[in-house]
Amino acid sequence: DGGITQSPKYLFRKEGQNVTLSCEQNLNHDAMYWYRQDPGQGLRLIYYSQIVNDFQKGDIAEGYSVSREKKESFPLTVTSAQKNPTAFYLCASSLRDSYNEQFFGPGTRLTVL
Amino acid sequence: QQQVKQSPQSLIVQKGGISIINCAYENTAFDYFPWYQQFPGKGPALLIAIRPDVSEKKEGRFTISFNKSAKQFSLHIMDSQPGDSATYFCAASRRGSSNTGKLIFGQGTTLQVKP
Repeated sequence: DGGITQSPKYLFRKEGQNVTLSCEQNLNHDAMYWYRQDPGQGLRLIYYSQIVNDFQKGDIAEGYSVSREKKESFPLTVTSAQKNPTAFYLCASSLRDSYNEQFFGPGTRLTVL
Repeated sequence: QQQVKQSPQSLIVQKGGISIINCAYENTAFDYFPWYQQFPGKGPALLIAIRPDVSEKKEGRFTISFNKSAKQFSLHIMDSQPGDSATYFCAASRRGSSNTGKLIFGQGTTLQVKP
């Protein structure tokens, strides 16, 4: 089955620790995105990548980092510099010639203890 | 200018009724307006989308109405069912030569359809 997988589903982190969220897609999509979802605030774009080895900051990139070494993978690292990391994180992907039709993964819920 | 404002924040409808969710945008360069449906603990899924060259698009019980002059668009769910209970997000983006795939999302509407 084609789709987007995110792991883990739930993640707990102590303050001061970095943590990496996984996102893999087998849809052969060129573009990949990371969003953060908080109650009552919709989805906010953290980082996005249109091609391998290239990525751009979204609206709330501070305290996050990404890499795009493979077309199918776009991991997100939540660093200790992120002041309020507890949230639901969503990864998405889209075709290059249909950038706006984004398909989402099931999400990772990160809780900082 | 990049905001998309969505209302209401929550909505309760009886089974068989019509659910209406509204969105307004400011950036006249937006030319793609999708609606996403999200169930608790899941990722959003594309429900229906419209481009500004049409005023209405219908897919089954779901209809998008688009008013370009008012910079508003809305989602109508006809014959609402309990299975439609979910959070709905409108979004907007601009394609064209500088297309970056950036979707601007509304704040979301939590719909509850009572049996």
